[in-house]
Amino acid sequence: KAGVTQTPRYLIKTRGQQVTLSCSPISGHRSVSWYQQTPGQGLQFLFEYFSETQRNKGNFPGRFSGRQFSNSRSEMNVSTLELGDSALYLCASRDGRSTDTQYFGPGTRLTVL
Amino acid sequence: SQELEQSPQSLIVQEGKNLTINCTSSKTLYGLYWYKQKYGEGLIFLMMLQKGGEEKSHEKITAKLDEKKQQSSLHITASQPSHAGIYLCGADIQGNTGKLIFGQGTTLQVKP
Repeated sequence: KAGVTQTPRYLIKTRGQQVTLSCSPISGHRSVSWYQQTPGQGLQFLFEYFSETQRNKGNFPGRFSGRQFSNSRSEMNVSTLELGDSALYLCASRDGRSTDTQYFGPGTRLTVL
Repeated sequence: SQELEQSPQSLIVQEGKNLTINCTSSKTLYGLYWYKQKYGEGLIFLMMLQKGGEEKSHEKITAKLDEKKQQSSLHITASQPSHAGIYLCGADIQGNTGKLIFGQGTTLQVKP
């Protein structure tokens, strides 16, 4: 099976802009979680989607949003970008029906100038 | 304080030496995951532990879970340069969710 894929891999934006990141989970997986990784804060949970519904949300402002489509692919959107949003954004997929393993994608490196 | 404490933060070992990384949770563990990351890249899944006393091995890496202490350890035997990277423990503290909390990571360097 193909692994988790994320597009784009690299992105450069300026403050105030918005950005959309995409994640395609492993075939058959219905849960997609998003994480932000920065040197200062480490790896932090953003949100989880399961069967097109947000099931869990981390402690991030409303500028961070996401959605999941019927084919389980997920997108994450950040509006009004700030310099502090520069980070590696990782998505992970799992089956979602029990406590099971999350498999991570390669990440999208976002730089905000 | 951190919900998931990982130690040490960094480690430099000579090739061939053994090493241990620890991960301690302040919350009940429903699942404990070990991942490896090369800088700036995605996380590679190593092992998942769920039951107290559980121990899993893959090649030269062994992970154990002490449920009473809410603690896990990752042990690498006869380290090689290919083991270098960042090791992260992640924990499911809610049960059957896609929300993992992570430790700050341990950066491992293996000197040839």
